[in-house]
Amino acid sequence: NAGVTQTPKFQVLKTGQSMTLQCAQDMNHNSMYWYRQDPGMGLRLIYYSASEGTTDKGEVPNGYNVSRLNKREFSLRLESAAPSQTSVYFCASSERGRPQHFGDGTRLSIL
Amino acid sequence: TQLLEQSPQFLSIQEGENLTVYCNSSSVFSSLQWYRQEPGEGPVLLVTVVTGGEVKKLKRLTFQFGDARKDSSLHITAAQPGDTGLYLCAGQTGANNLFFGTGTRLTVIP
Repeated sequence: NAGVTQTPKFQVLKTGQSMTLQCAQDMNHNSMYWYRQDPGMGLRLIYYSASEGTTDKGEVPNGYNVSRLNKREFSLRLESAAPSQTSVYFCASSERGRPQHFGDGTRLSIL
Repeated sequence: TQLLEQSPQFLSIQEGENLTVYCNSSSVFSSLQWYRQEPGEGPVLLVTVVTGGEVKKLKRLTFQFGDARKDSSLHITAAQPGDTGLYLCAGQTGANNLFFGTGTRLTVIP
């Protein structure tokens, strides 16, 4: 009964380093999303993928890239990490127009 | 950007008290969702309201969608320590456009 699985759960990076956050869902959902959550700002959409093979920018895409590897997996890449990207990152999935199911997040600190 | 403001931002009450959390926007939404988030976990959907004026009840929780579909409220009756958490409203404007509010952090003291 996994739902949405995110790896890693915690990560510390130095400024300028790169890394990829992984997300996989087992609910056969078409749509997948990446959000960041910062104190006092709720969740903000970074990128989403409405279906396999498509990706679109959300509210705060700068500094990030995504890949929809297949229907199950959607990854988020930071090419050159900056301290402003310190946040908790959530992946979610859904069917079109339906409520989203969230993973437990990746806590990322950039020094 | 669709701005959804929640109030209050923080709320600390005694067990057994009632409370209301508000979610307000100047934008119209096709639906409004409420989530609860526990520390170290992702948000979990509580309810979705779709029709203006709609009221939904989930045990001691009552959710209302404003007539103009711009605002919503969450009322908890006889709060319990298990209700402690971060409550998030989220407005949907399209199939993939979900905008989250700033959150209300509720603490229920036994």
